[in-house]
Amino acid sequence: GAVVSQHPSWVICKSGTSVKIECRSLDFQATTMFWYRQFPKQSLMLMATSNEGSKATYEQGVEKDKFLINHASLTLSTLTVTSAHPEDSSFYICSASRDSPYEQYFGPGTRLTVT
Amino acid sequence: LAKTTQPISMDSYEGQEVNITCSHNNIATNDYITWYQQFPSQGPRFIIQGYKTKVTNEVASLFIPADRKSSTLSLPRVSLSDTAVYYCLVGDLLGSSNTGKLIFGQGTTLQVKP
Repeated sequence: GAVVSQHPSWVICKSGTSVKIECRSLDFQATTMFWYRQFPKQSLMLMATSNEGSKATYEQGVEKDKFLINHASLTLSTLTVTSAHPEDSSFYICSASRDSPYEQYFGPGTRLTVT
Repeated sequence: LAKTTQPISMDSYEGQEVNITCSHNNIATNDYITWYQQFPSQGPRFIIQGYKTKVTNEVASLFIPADRKSSTLSLPRVSLSDTAVYYCLVGDLLGSSNTGKLIFGQGTTLQVKP
């Protein structure tokens, strides 16, 4: 149990286009989901907290107009990278908590490459 | 959230027990200690969580001394497949500020050799 999926697993897009990444909790309902970004050889950086039915809470330094988050249901959150640039190339990971908020279940990640 | 300090890297050999220590001097009364494992190009995986003394599950043990200013993740008889990055996180599970936010430190890269 407690499986989180992400789609797509990897995506290549051209600079200036937008990309949507989906995060789904497959066998449980997640009121809160989290989005992280991870650059090579670095740790995960929390981008935002996504709450079902309300606006996401962004961490300091993360542009909310560039990284649009929608949490329309208890099993789905989406992250849209708008007007992507090469510096947005990274590994994007989502997570969801089921019971304990610190026992989070992570998705497999999405590798975004912007050319 | 309490800041954590871990060794950047560790080496071990197959079959050995590995202990990774994490320092969290500013841990608060309501904070729990959680460890995650991450393989390359994958999301982190929850390993174990504890508050005090010792916690054991099918994967690892977590030792927490009485002052709770540090904790040690113990992996028994590691194999090559245990090569990964291990993260120690500290956070408040029960308080009013409980947001579930996880702030990852640099983690410890464990390399298991044959």
